[in-house]
Amino acid sequence: QVQLQESGPGLVKPSETLSLTCAVSGYSISSGYYWGWIRQPPGKGLEWIGSMYHSGSTYYNPSLKSRVTISVDTSKNQFSLKLSSVTAADTAVYYCARTDGYRAVDIWGQGTMVTVSS
Amino acid sequence: SYELTQPLSVSVALGQTARITCGGNNIGIKNVHWYQQKPGQAPVLVIYRDSNRPSGIPERFSGSNSGNTATLTISRAQAGDEADYYCQVWDSTTGVFGGGTKLTVL
Repeated sequence: QVQLQESGPGLVKPSETLSLTCAVSGYSISSGYYWGWIRQPPGKGLEWIGSMYHSGSTYYNPSLKSRVTISVDTSKNQFSLKLSSVTAADTAVYYCARTDGYRAVDIWGQGTMVTVSS
Repeated sequence: SYELTQPLSVSVALGQTARITCGGNNIGIKNVHWYQQKPGQAPVLVIYRDSNRPSGIPERFSGSNSGNTATLTISRAQAGDEADYYCQVWDSTTGVFGGGTKLTVL
């Protein structure tokens, strides 16, 4: 059974960098699929942040591209998100996700709430 | 950028059929995926590639996609189907979600 688990600070100060990690169990990242991040502001809809193929190709939402970096650590079987220069608008539940070749998210993490506030 | 339009809310009587639409420019040539999200939970994939059900999803859930509209159909609606539903496609370098539809089962 494939499981994803997010971890990272729940509170980030404005202008700083948000950093989250997703630990994968039950499947080796290097075996395939795309691995990425999706967020959901409180009371609002889902927003795609970006994804990365296990080989290293990355795909980012153009609206966030200048601030986002997604990387994979195959030795630890985990992947990470960095979002720089955060503002209150980046406050959201952040989900890590596994995406198939048709870009459907077949596995979701439970989500982690990140608040941007001083 | 590509946009997907969903109705904010849909209501259905218990046991009847609910249809949730997802509009987009020539969406019929894209692969459309549908997710169900209950309060406080992560979304769950209920339909992928327009009309395919993942393992464990009831046959009551079906999908179609043609022209400028994709549709999620829930037959014999149950109280447990009450949730937010999102459509999603891939556009160029990113996933795109619809705004979401709140399904109420009366």
